[in-house]
Amino acid sequence: NAGVTQTPKFRVLKTGQSMTLLCAQDMNHEYMYWYRQDPGMGLRLIHYSVGEGTTAKGEVPDGYNVSRLKKQNFLLGLESAAPSQTSVYFCASSPGTSGSGEQFFGPGTRLTVL
Amino acid sequence: GQSLEQPSEVTAVEGAIVQINCTYQTSGFYGLSWYQQHDGGAPTFLSYNALDGLEETGRFSSFLSRSDSYGYLLLQELQMKDSASYFCAVRVNDYKLSFGAGTTVTVRA
Repeated sequence: NAGVTQTPKFRVLKTGQSMTLLCAQDMNHEYMYWYRQDPGMGLRLIHYSVGEGTTAKGEVPDGYNVSRLKKQNFLLGLESAAPSQTSVYFCASSPGTSGSGEQFFGPGTRLTVL
Repeated sequence: GQSLEQPSEVTAVEGAIVQINCTYQTSGFYGLSWYQQHDGGAPTFLSYNALDGLEETGRFSSFLSRSDSYGYLLLQELQMKDSASYFCAVRVNDYKLSFGAGTTVTVRA
């Protein structure tokens, strides 16, 4: 059971370049999330999905797009990277509405935009 | 909007007790969670309070007062491995969490 995995772990982009971050979970969770973490600002929700084929905007969605074509995968795309998108990106998944709403996090992707 | 306040840093010695307070103002409230994060690694779930009162899990306890929009995480018998960042997070609906900025706990020998 790998849990939540993220690809890549590190990436350096030039301004204007595009890239896709991949998140995969093997726990059959319904809900998946993309967060960014910046120093002193905690975790901010970018986009989320409550099921296969559905996506919704979080707090800071501008400049990002997402897709969830398969239940186990959640992709985060940057169409034209900007230095303000330099951050650590975390994917998370959650089993559903019952219980504590615990979210399980991946190891993160450290992105630098020059 | 959502607003969560927690101290930015706490320092204590091994064996001590540390309390991290969290006050919140959110548009919805299902419960209060706490997450631990070591050195930029993956955040991991520690506890969840949906109702008022104290929940104890080993050396860690979490408290919630819904009427005061306040909770805390209590770390007892501090160990060096407890040096980490701790985040409070409000569950604002069935599927979304809103996180505080985090408290860095430093444990000294």
